[in-house]
Amino acid sequence: GAVVSQHPSRVICKSGTSVKIECRSLDFQATTMFWYRQFPKKSLMLMATSNEGSKATYEQGVEKDKFLINHASLTLSTLTVTSAHPEDSSFYICSALGWGQDSPLHFGNGTRLTVT
Amino acid sequence: GENVEQHPSTLSVQEGDSAVIKCTYSDSASNYFPWYKQELGKRPQLIIDIRSNVGEKKDQRIAVTLNKTAKHFSLHITETQPEDSAVYFCALWSFKAGGTSYGKLTFGQGTILTVHP
Repeated sequence: GAVVSQHPSRVICKSGTSVKIECRSLDFQATTMFWYRQFPKKSLMLMATSNEGSKATYEQGVEKDKFLINHASLTLSTLTVTSAHPEDSSFYICSALGWGQDSPLHFGNGTRLTVT
Repeated sequence: GENVEQHPSTLSVQEGDSAVIKCTYSDSASNYFPWYKQELGKRPQLIIDIRSNVGEKKDQRIAVTLNKTAKHFSLHITETQPEDSAVYFCALWSFKAGGTSYGKLTFGQGTILTVHP
């Protein structure tokens, strides 16, 4: 089956620093990847849609200059949280679109970000 | 935009009972309706899905029903077991006309299911 690898699984950083999260589709090409954020006991909220070779499409209310997304290849998308603040602490999950599999969307294991 | 409402937010049942979770939506163009189970700190796991050309789908103890006219779909778990305890999310895929994206997946608010032994 389709495998999506997300790294790191956990990261702790200091306020004001930047953190990069990687999302890789290991055995299929993903022209489209999605980034979600999930606060404790809440649902997954779509932050942005990442398309290979083009600019990401951000959902309303998500700051594109704060959450930088790069999708430079068919198997890799990165999310960089710039100038992180404690309120950015959350669970970030990527997913890759792969139609033709048993289900179209394949999730990474998520990244627990804690900003101190 | 896309909107999906999920109820109930919490559901407590005795082992062996059935559990039903319902979602309603507004976008009539949606045509793919998955259900996910999420355990604490882990990614959502697809447990069953249904496409708009089907009214019901079953996989062992889990079934999903879809009423496109009324715009709602439901998850049914029979003979519940303690290991079914988790958060369950409905979702729907909404397509956008044009552009480079195939669309996006919107999640319901989630249901915390607790199965008591």
